[in-house]
Amino acid sequence: EAGVAQSPRYKIIEKRQSVAFWCNPISGHATLYWYQQILGQGPKLLIQFQNNGVVDDSQLPKDRFSAERLKGVDSTLKIQPAKLEDSAVYLCASSLGAHQNNSPLHFGNGTRLTVT
Amino acid sequence: SQQGEEDPQALSIQEGENATMNCSYKTSINNLQWYRQNSGRGLVHLILIRSNEREKHSGRLRVTLDTSKKSSSLLITASRAADTASYFCATEGEYRQFYFGTGTSLTVIP
Repeated sequence: EAGVAQSPRYKIIEKRQSVAFWCNPISGHATLYWYQQILGQGPKLLIQFQNNGVVDDSQLPKDRFSAERLKGVDSTLKIQPAKLEDSAVYLCASSLGAHQNNSPLHFGNGTRLTVT
Repeated sequence: SQQGEEDPQALSIQEGENATMNCSYKTSINNLQWYRQNSGRGLVHLILIRSNEREKHSGRLRVTLDTSKKSSSLLITASRAADTASYFCATEGEYRQFYFGTGTSLTVIP
């Protein structure tokens, strides 16, 4: 099966600019996650979708971050305006739906964002 | 924060030795999972242990879970250079949110 696809692989922007990341989950996976991983730390959950609905966005900085999954498949994460502390790897993951207990997460290779 | 913590933060061993890393968490769980992350890549699922299980094996991996102490350990036996990676534990929230620990960086010296 094809894995989770993410693009771009790398992105360098200046502070106050905007940036968008794209994720295509594994076919048939209803749940999609965006994580932020700062160098040397574990992934931090930003937002979780079940189909096209938001399950948890409690750790998403909503003043600058937004995410959508309009058709319940692909998702886009946007940052506007970016700050220096947003420099991190942004990981997308997917899994079978909310009723599939004990199914693991499948991760993409991430987008490495550098804000200068 | 619901994030767990792994220790040690870094571990360096010789090829063929065993590697043990520990995870502590704060909330009640349905299951606990371990993931591996190679440099510059996404995380890969290794093994899952349910809250009613105490020990689980998969190949060279052995996981234990002590829910009374809110802790888990991952043992990798007969380590190989290819096992060099970061290892994370993850706990599952009520609505299948997954919270990751701080990670253990393992280096296996050939």
